[in-house]
Amino acid sequence: EAGVAQSPRYKIIEKRQSVAFWCNPISGHATLYWYQQILGQGPKLLIQFQNNGVVDDSQLPKDRFSAERLKGVDSTLKIQPAKLEDSAVYLCASSLAGPSYEQYFGPGTRLTVT
Amino acid sequence: TQLLEQSPQFLSIQEGENLTVYCNSSSVFSSLQWYRQEPGEGPVLLVTVVTGGEVKKLKRLTFQFGDARKDSSLHITAAQPGDTGLYLCAGARFSGTYKYIFGTGTRLKVLA
Repeated sequence: EAGVAQSPRYKIIEKRQSVAFWCNPISGHATLYWYQQILGQGPKLLIQFQNNGVVDDSQLPKDRFSAERLKGVDSTLKIQPAKLEDSAVYLCASSLAGPSYEQYFGPGTRLTVT
Repeated sequence: TQLLEQSPQFLSIQEGENLTVYCNSSSVFSSLQWYRQEPGEGPVLLVTVVTGGEVKKLKRLTFQFGDARKDSSLHITAAQPGDTGLYLCAGARFSGTYKYIFGTGTRLKVLA
């Protein structure tokens, strides 16, 4: 079974530039998550999709971050414009729906904003 | 934002020692998961506990869910260098749909 795919793996940009991340979840997983993980800390949920609808984006900085899930499958997360504090690893995960299902994580994209 | 506090934040021990990591919250969770994350990779699920007071064992790892489903612990017996990593707890709560909150993380280093 193929895992969660993310690209790119690494990205370095200057502040005020734009960046986009892509995620392809495991086939059949209805729920898709985007997390931001600051070095050494636990992941913080940015946005959660159920199929192609948003169920939680309460911690997404909507003035600069946006995300979409096309046809309930792939997803993109965009930052425009980037700030220094956006430097982090952006993790995508997918799961079946429910409280006990495992979240399968991709390898993440390490973003450095200079 | 509801927080899941983990303690200790960092732990460096010798191979063969035992250790316990705690995950505490003031909120009740439907389930509690433990993940381990290695550098450059995403977290990988170790276990899910659902029932208050539940204890699960995975080889040298023992997981317990608190009776009130607000806290959990992870105990490792005879730690090995391969146990090195970032340990994360994650609680699931229902609010229209199931939502997960990750803990602050415990970074473990086991020295040979």
